[in-house]
This record gives sequence, structure tokens and C-alpha cells, in this order.
Amino acid sequence: SYELTQSPSVSVSPGQTASITCSGGKLGDKYVCWYQKKPGQSPVVVIYHDTKRPSGIPERFSGSSSGNTATLTISGTQPMDEADYYCQAWDSSSASVFGGGTKLTVL
Amino acid sequence: QVHLVQSGAEVKRPGASVKVSCRASNYSFPIFGMNWVRQAPGQGLEWMGWISGYNGNTNYAQKFQGRVTMTTDTSTSTAYMEMRSLRSDDTAVYYCARTKYYESSGYFDYWGQGTLVTVSS
Repeated sequence: SYELTQSPSVSVSPGQTASITCSGGKLGDKYVCWYQKKPGQSPVVVIYHDTKRPSGIPERFSGSSSGNTATLTISGTQPMDEADYYCQAWDSSSASVFGGGTKLTVL
Repeated sequence: QVHLVQSGAEVKRPGASVKVSCRASNYSFPIFGMNWVRQAPGQGLEWMGWISGYNGNTNYAQKFQGRVTMTTDTSTSTAYMEMRSLRSDDTAVYYCARTKYYESSGYFDYWGQGTLVTVSS
């Protein structure tokens, strides 16, 4: 089955740039989405179709993809951005797959 | 505003079944698919499967095939997820999430509030 790999944790100081990566075989052939998950809340999509930002998501969130790696970048990270972030893609059998998640700590 | 409202928390014994509902409002239910995603305590998000709001076609994650059944009731714009033969490791928060189609792909644009299912003897 298809797998997406994320590093377990990333730390960043307030105001700095956080980069969260997601890797998978032939990931460049797929579209990647990113979800923010805070404790006790439902997930929220912050990036879809590799680079698209839904309405209401701050401009500091951006996405990119190259080769087998997709990246979520948060510029000027704020304390409110502290959360778990999950990448997601669809495999060749139209099944969805989530990465293992990255815990973003803002300190 | 789109709303997905799920049924309340459940406590089940091992071996029992559970059926979680997700009532959709403020959009045309048949146009979108619905997914079910779960998160066990301390674990990540896990996609369970998808059901078409139009014709009820399903696509289950291999892990859940044979143990999970997803259905819809278009007259009430409600999606259901039934899981059988529950085990303790099925203890999780279960979410429904709508598929928003974009070009040749899709993403989960609206989510239910989650339903905690606890499996314990």
C-alpha cells in the first residue's frame, strides 16, 4: 500500500519560517493536501492541490512539491500555528493516504 | 454554511458493532462524496473509506474491507459508517469529511465534529 512519510516533529521560534516535508514514491505524480489538527478540534485543510490555499487560510501558509517530496511552509509562524500537520494524497486505486503527521512546536 | 453533524459518543463491548451517522446540510448531498477518517488516542489520522453521495458507490481502505460498511440516505442527507467486530484498538474519534473535487483530484473541505467510540469490556 502507498505510504507518505513525515518527520515526527519540527520546532520553530515565533516569527520564523517552518518547513514540514512529506515524501512518497512518485509523489510528484499526485496532488498533495495539508491539514492542520489541533487537540479537540476537527482537522482543517490549509493547502490543497499542492499549492492552493482555501479561503480563510492566512497567506503565511504555502505549499510546494518537487520530485518525491511535498513541503508545507509557514512564514512568520505564530503561536496559534502550533498543531499537528498531516499531508494527504490519493493513490492509484483512489484510496486516500495520510502521512504520519508532524507536530509543530512554536517556542 | 455547510454543516456536518455527527451522532454522539458510543461505548461498546469488544465484538459488538457501532453505527455512526453524519447529517449534512446546506449543500446538495448527491454532488459530493463523503469520507470517514479516524484518529486513535495519540495516533495520526487514518482514512477508512469513501462513499458517493450520488449512487452509494464505495471505496474502502484495505484494512477495513469486510468489517466496515458505509451507506447513505439521500432523503435525509445522512451518511453512515458501521463497524463490526469491534476491538479495543478501534477506540478512536471518528470523523466524516466531505470530498471537494478540484480538477482531477479532491480534498476534504468540511469535517464533522467527530464521534468518540470507546471499545472496552
